[in-house]
Amino acid sequence: NAGVTQTPKFQVLKTGQSMTLQCAQDMNHEYMSWYRQDPGMGLRLIHYSVGAGITDQGEVPNGYNVSRSTTEDFPLRLLSAAPSQTSVYFCASMWDRNTEAFFGQGTRLTVV
Amino acid sequence: GDSVTQMEGPVTLSEEAFLTINCTYTATGYPSLFWYVQYPGEGLQLLLKATKADDKGSNKGFEATYRKETTSFHLEKGSVQVSDSAVYFCALLGYGGATNKLIFGTGTLLAVQP
Repeated sequence: NAGVTQTPKFQVLKTGQSMTLQCAQDMNHEYMSWYRQDPGMGLRLIHYSVGAGITDQGEVPNGYNVSRSTTEDFPLRLLSAAPSQTSVYFCASMWDRNTEAFFGQGTRLTVV
Repeated sequence: GDSVTQMEGPVTLSEEAFLTINCTYTATGYPSLFWYVQYPGEGLQLLLKATKADDKGSNKGFEATYRKETTSFHLEKGSVQVSDSAVYFCALLGYGGATNKLIFGTGTLLAVQP
């Protein structure tokens, strides 16, 4: 079982560069989310999706875009990287509100 | 909006000590409540959950009871082990318009010494 797969695991970007963090799940989950984890801040919700073609903003959406063209994939795009986006990013998926969320292994992003 | 507040860490205990990590929440309606655990270098994984008031979630010796009257979901374990060292996150899943927003607390680092 692959579960939730995130790529890459590590990335260094220069300020102003753009990139896409990939997230794929093979559990046919409708609900997918992106979080960033920063020291002392816990996990903060960036964007989430309740199904293909449907996305919405979380707590900290600025500087990030998402799309959901298929049930399996939920990529996160950084439009113009800034040092404040240095963080560990987690993708999660779940079947419905009463089941557990499955997390990927995370992407550690450094913006210099 | 919905929010979760949990005690700050780190919490340092000796093996076999009793553990309590406090968690309180603010939410409209009847959220589901969760504890997730993150071991070093890994993603989060579900530890236990409770979906309605007075429910008790339990797993691997950990327990938490959904207390609506005190809006709390404190995590407890009677005898911790070194292998329990990890970061513990309390979380809620809102009911209603924010149904699928899983909101986390800031996490509590637990360090268990032999």
